[in-house]
Amino acid sequence: AQSVAQPEDQVNVAEGNPLTVKCTYSVSGNPYLFWYVQYPNRGLQFLLKYITGDNLVKGSYGFEAEFNKSQTSFHLKKPSALVSDSALYFCAVKRDTGRRALTFGSGTRLQVQP
Amino acid sequence: GAGVSQSPRYKVAKRGQDVALRCDPISGHVSLFWYQQALGQGPEFLTYFQNEAQLDKSGLPSDRFFAERPEGSVSTLKIQRTQQEDSAVYLCASSIQGAEGNTIYFGEGSWLTVV
Repeated sequence: AQSVAQPEDQVNVAEGNPLTVKCTYSVSGNPYLFWYVQYPNRGLQFLLKYITGDNLVKGSYGFEAEFNKSQTSFHLKKPSALVSDSALYFCAVKRDTGRRALTFGSGTRLQVQP
Repeated sequence: GAGVSQSPRYKVAKRGQDVALRCDPISGHVSLFWYQQALGQGPEFLTYFQNEAQLDKSGLPSDRFFAERPEGSVSTLKIQRTQQEDSAVYLCASSIQGAEGNTIYFGEGSWLTVV
């Protein structure tokens, strides 16, 4: 079985400040980890993924995420938040073999205040 | 096409009515997925196709849900005798091939409301 936990329903941050959205996972075998963003009434947009290699992954719109195997975490970060980053963020996992489908967390709403 | 296309975007169905939701994946994408997203929750897996073969349907919640992809491109998710708990966004996604590391791209979703 595989699962994702996003412990914060909502994260509030002031514009220009750094942001972190937390994600921990559980999977047997090696994980493949993804972050997606969802704007109101829209589908999911891919931000970044970790497959193998460097633990720090850089993605779209200045976002990055750090894979930490010992802590089974894949936190999403951005050095300087923008009001336009306000959206719903989903972390997802699948293992490197077997089932093809992603398992998603429950989502974290990011609110960036001007 | 440039992205995953879904239709209709919005559907209101009376309880007991049958609905069909269409997904047109990115051209050349072998893998196709259907997810259900209830309000305020993360997407939940429904079913997976590789070309025309339905390899995983473990997430379909009941036998009222049926999906097909007869020619390995366009897919249809059909819900028979809709019930209020079927109200959700149905997301279709595709990826270039079955390899596990490939990015899965999502459509805008079909918003189903059962009244």
